[in-house]
Amino acid sequence: EAGVTQFPSHSVIEKGQTVTLRCDPISGHDNLYWYRRVMGKEIKFLLHFVKESKQDESGMPNNRFLAERTGGTYSTLKVQPAELEDSGVYFCASSPQAAHSGTPGWTEAFFGQGTRLTVV
Amino acid sequence: AQSVTQLGSHVSVSEGALVLLRCNYSSSVPPYLFWYVQYPNQGLQLLLKYTSAATLVKGINGFEAEFKKSETSFHLTKPSAHMSDAAEYFCAVSGSGSARQLTFGSGTQLTVLP
Repeated sequence: EAGVTQFPSHSVIEKGQTVTLRCDPISGHDNLYWYRRVMGKEIKFLLHFVKESKQDESGMPNNRFLAERTGGTYSTLKVQPAELEDSGVYFCASSPQAAHSGTPGWTEAFFGQGTRLTVV
Repeated sequence: AQSVTQLGSHVSVSEGALVLLRCNYSSSVPPYLFWYVQYPNQGLQLLLKYTSAATLVKGINGFEAEFKKSETSFHLTKPSAHMSDAAEYFCAVSGSGSARQLTFGSGTQLTVLP
């Protein structure tokens, strides 16, 4: 079974340019998460999709970031225009449909290798 | 609100020595707790998780962690370090409800000395 795949693995762009990161979750996983780690800081939650719907986007830093999940499959995260402080590693994770309340068996989130974004 | 504190951004141990990575959490709801590991040039891999069952949790590669509610801690241990354990380790917490996003600590880089 293929894991979570992220493209590209590295991206170097100039300030003001646009970059689009892609995440292919594990097939059949309804939940898709984006996280970001700025250098020297902790990994922070950006947003959560359930299928094609945004469940929680409270972690999105500002309106320069736009996330989509077409047809509930792969997801893209676009940064437009990029700023220097956007540099970091962007992780994607997926998990199966959450268990209903009261039932055991929280399933883990499977992470991709991350995209290292450098804005110069 | 939830938060995680990992004491020590860098920990060095000798090969064969005990590994102890500290994690304290804060959560307003019963927490689920996790340890993830990131090896160089790889993604995050789950080591182990606590989801309100046994308080002593065993994970992969000989690691284990004990949930101590009174101390709000979830420290990671391994009796004998191996060179292959060198990596960055992250403690994380999530709620037990429908919102399953993780709140991470700042990470601990483990170095294993020969």
